[in-house]
Amino acid sequence: AQSVTQLDSHVSVSEGTPVLLRCNYSSSYSPSLFWYVQHPNKGLQLLLKYTSAATLVKGINGFEAEFKKSETSFHLTKPSAHMSDAAEYFCVVRFITGGGNKLTFGTGTQLKVEL
Amino acid sequence: DTGVSQDPRHKITKRGQNVTFRCDPISEHNRLYWYRQTLGQGPEFLTYFQNEAQLEKSRLLSDRFSAERPKGSFSTLEIQRTEQGDSAMYLCASSQGSVAEAFFGQGTRLTVV
Repeated sequence: AQSVTQLDSHVSVSEGTPVLLRCNYSSSYSPSLFWYVQHPNKGLQLLLKYTSAATLVKGINGFEAEFKKSETSFHLTKPSAHMSDAAEYFCVVRFITGGGNKLTFGTGTQLKVEL
Repeated sequence: DTGVSQDPRHKITKRGQNVTFRCDPISEHNRLYWYRQTLGQGPEFLTYFQNEAQLEKSRLLSDRFSAERPKGSFSTLEIQRTEQGDSAMYLCASSQGSVAEAFFGQGTRLTVV
């Protein structure tokens, strides 16, 4: 079965400290992987994507993620959190199934940044 | 291009009424997706078009739901005989190519009273 799991529903960090949001996937194929962010009352915004090129992917606002095939993981990191990073983050996987290739979302991780 | 546009942004309807939402994707994108998001949950896939062809439909989608993309451009999502459980944010997204990222609209928030 193909699935995506975000291991933490809530993460709380202090401003200026590192951020780690964890994502694991299960797939028989090499998927395309994405991280999206959703600020309150705002639309989903793409942070970064992995599509079988470099395994370390850099995104917007200082975020990056590393694709580890052996661990089937795609964790999102940022060296130093900012107050504006507080939002909901979704790990998204595109599985190539049948004639389509829908995006499957994880359940989300709510990031809280404290002073 | 201003991105994916959805209309209306908010809709309040009485139980049993029909509603229709519209999505205008980014103009050169051939793929269009509909998702539903309830409070505290991640978006759930509803259906997907490539050009005008509806290629996949979620088993979550009851026969009260129908979607069209008649000319491969804009799409409509209709819900017939709405129920309170249909209350959610309905999101539309578009993409170009088999590995490209999807761009999402702001969504239509449906409240069934």
